[in-house]
Amino acid sequence: SQQGEEDPQALSIQEGENATMNCSYKTSINNLQWYRQNSGRGLVHLILIRSNEREKHSGRLRVTLDTSKKSSSLLITASRAADTASYFCATDYEGAQKLVFGQGTRLTINP
Amino acid sequence: DVKVTQSSRYLVKRTGEKVFLECVQDMDHENMFWYRQDPGLGLRLIYFSYDVKMKEKGDIPEGYSVSREKKERFSLILESASTNQTSMYLCASSIPGRYEQYFGPGTRLTVT
Repeated sequence: SQQGEEDPQALSIQEGENATMNCSYKTSINNLQWYRQNSGRGLVHLILIRSNEREKHSGRLRVTLDTSKKSSSLLITASRAADTASYFCATDYEGAQKLVFGQGTRLTINP
Repeated sequence: DVKVTQSSRYLVKRTGEKVFLECVQDMDHENMFWYRQDPGLGLRLIYFSYDVKMKEKGDIPEGYSVSREKKERFSLILESASTNQTSMYLCASSIPGRYEQYFGPGTRLTVT
């Protein structure tokens, strides 16, 4: 399995601070995605970055991808209480439509 | 907006029962997926389907089967529920050629 691994497993910061989460994977990929999951709910797609891209922005989200290190990072700027959730990275597997998910980072934003 | 619905948010079943988990999506997506999510293990793919009446095994298909008789509906079947199948079950759909998946709210299944 080329399951991704998120780091850290848990992160607690103050509202307004920036949050950075990292993801590592094992084999070559076509793209990498980040998802958010609020407690007890389904996952919501946040952003996709293709293997030929190095950085992508969406609102307060910034994603980087380093294919040489097989790693990605998700930066959430100016965090809000509503950002409290678990965040998962997901990679495609052998070019197929199915995804392989990491175990997630649990982010807590303290007011 | 894509909407993926799952038949139950919470379900309690007894060991040995046959359990049906239903998933319906309203955006005409060809691809549909069933995952289970457990603490410390993340999401693991059980089965997926690229078209009606078509299914493929994921990483952990043992003890499960699926049915896809209509494009919008993908059912997960636990033939004889066991306590180790207590988990959160998530359904998702996607468009061929697009990797983003759209998830339902999940069914938390408890097998006693």
